[in-house]
Amino acid sequence: SQQGEEDPQALSIQEGENATMNCSYKTSINNLQWYRQNSGRGLVHLILIRSNEREKHSGRLRVTLDTSKKSSSLLITASRAADTASYFCATVYNNNDMRFGAGTRLTVKP
Amino acid sequence: EAEVAQSPRYKITEKSQAVAFWCDPISGHATLYWYRQILGQGPELLVQFQDESVVDDSQLPKDRFSAERLKGVDSTLKIQPAELGDSAMYLCASSLTFTGQETQYFGPGTRLLVL
Repeated sequence: SQQGEEDPQALSIQEGENATMNCSYKTSINNLQWYRQNSGRGLVHLILIRSNEREKHSGRLRVTLDTSKKSSSLLITASRAADTASYFCATVYNNNDMRFGAGTRLTVKP
Repeated sequence: EAEVAQSPRYKITEKSQAVAFWCDPISGHATLYWYRQILGQGPELLVQFQDESVVDDSQLPKDRFSAERLKGVDSTLKIQPAELGDSAMYLCASSLTFTGQETQYFGPGTRLLVL
């Protein structure tokens, strides 16, 4: 399968702490995207990082991409209870094929 | 803010029955996607449309699943007959174009339970 693999599968932290989720993939990509899914809802796009980019920021979110290691990380700083959700990385290959990983379930305790 | 609409939100059916899901993408979005998401897993692409044409349906179980987007706007996904293993969330998404660089906007999904 070409899809990315997230790590850890589940993460539980206290409000105010930082949360880091990782995504690894196996073949060269065009870009990598992170999405959030609240329980029982659709996915919401967070960040897109292209293969020639190494880091992107959006508010409390920081995404890095290391193409040599074929991995990406999503950092959420100063987490809030409202950040509780599942986070998915989606790898987009040069044929525009996009594959989602199984996700990381983040729980932020108030 | 424009949203992708899906209906119904929930569907309970018995195996061997037919079910249909409807999706209305964001106005002006040429590309429409149907995904299946099994509990605890990521979405899996079933079919992708560019306007009214199917671009990718390689993962669509064509013996029981069908999808159409007749006028290149809204779309219907049908399952006939439904099987127990079809219980899942069915997500529709749309994007402005199909280059691989764009954001996909997801609807709220239809949760299907097959008894």
